[in-house]
Amino acid sequence: DTEVTQTPKHLVMGMTNKKSLKCEQHMGHRAMYWYKQKAKKPPELMFVYSYEKLSINESVPSRFSPECPNSSLLNLHLHALQPEDSALYLCASSRLAGRVYNEQFFGPGTRLTVL
Amino acid sequence: AQRVTQPEKLLSVFKGAPVELKCNYSYSGSPELFWYVQYSRQRLQLLLRHISRESIKGFTADLNKGETSFHLKKPFAQEEDSAMYYCALRGGSEKLVFGKGTKLTVNP
Repeated sequence: DTEVTQTPKHLVMGMTNKKSLKCEQHMGHRAMYWYKQKAKKPPELMFVYSYEKLSINESVPSRFSPECPNSSLLNLHLHALQPEDSALYLCASSRLAGRVYNEQFFGPGTRLTVL
Repeated sequence: AQRVTQPEKLLSVFKGAPVELKCNYSYSGSPELFWYVQYSRQRLQLLLRHISRESIKGFTADLNKGETSFHLKKPFAQEEDSAMYYCALRGGSEKLVFGKGTKLTVNP
């Protein structure tokens, strides 16, 4: 399996809802990432997990809560979101083998709409 | 600070014409540079990385440290090359910084 999968593909939620985004990879990668991509904009890094530990948090509001339960899974828990949080949320993974063969593989994304 | 600049938001060429997508970067150390491509309705995927000096789908990119550039080139553009292209830089951590992207349209 050489893909990053994300569920759900689409999510519509109200500002008082709690929901979760899920990401999975079975490539043995030990780094996993969450990005946010607004329409016609580049992906913006939110979080990085290395060996299941949070290594980078790009000052993301606490209404976004990441979780890495094991080396294959990455979740993003959502609570009390704002309409401006509507975007495509991308998950990615990569090896942690130094500077070579460290490309990031991206999932198809979850398109989130906050009403 | 890591910064990637793609000066052209849109680029339109005719099929068979050469194409060059520009990328300039700012980073004080030794960066890793990448080109990612996003075809319509498809996921973001890696096209090239400077470290491997390979040619993918006829595209090449050379890292020029003197000019801090990593321009993407193809001698003869094809219609299927139409896509969004992002230049990206990785510095000393796992953080990948993307440029704003160039939308390439190859006309028949």
